[in-house]
Amino acid sequence: ELKVEQNPLFLSMQEGKNYTIYCNYSTTSDRLYWYRQDPGKSLESLFVLLSNGAVKQEGRLMASLDTKARLSTLHITAAVHDLSATYFCAVDISPLMRFGAGTRLTVKP
Amino acid sequence: DTGVSQNPRHKITKRGQNVTFRCDPISEHNRLYWYRQTLGQGPEFLTYFQNEAQLEKSRLLSDRFSAERPKGSFSTLEIQRTEQGDSAMYLCASSTGSDYEQYFGPGTRLTVT
Repeated sequence: ELKVEQNPLFLSMQEGKNYTIYCNYSTTSDRLYWYRQDPGKSLESLFVLLSNGAVKQEGRLMASLDTKARLSTLHITAAVHDLSATYFCAVDISPLMRFGAGTRLTVKP
Repeated sequence: DTGVSQNPRHKITKRGQNVTFRCDPISEHNRLYWYRQTLGQGPEFLTYFQNEAQLEKSRLLSDRFSAERPKGSFSTLEIQRTEQGDSAMYLCASSTGSDYEQYFGPGTRLTVT
């Protein structure tokens, strides 16, 4: 059975600092997604990574995919309070996705 | 593009009652998915439709759960004889055949008392 493991599950960081969230998965897949979820809200798509070596950046967030290592990373640069949320990676096993447990990020002033 | 909509947004019901949720996907999205999310966890896949055909069901979808997508447009998810363990957020998502990205609705939060 496909396993998707995110770490850390909880992350508290200071504003202005950098950090990386890791997403490991246990089966072959060429597509991986990152979503953001605010408390009580639905999922907001952040990145769609479609091939090995894919790198995408939006603002202070950058995501990458290494399909050979079965690893994706979400890097946060110079964190700000507005980034506080839960971040999920999801591995495409068409037609469905398998989600990680999420990383709950808190950015403190 | 009005996005994926779900109704109701919140539902409180007593154990043993039946509930039905509705999902309206993005227009012309032929794929529709239902997920369940419990507190502190990621969404878990329940079932998937391509047009009106239900092509995949998770083992999480017990006999008390049934989903339909008549005419390949909106979908309903019914839970019969609800149990407290059914309390969760039920999320609907849709996608096109060529774009694998799934777009999520706001969810229906079910509380079974």
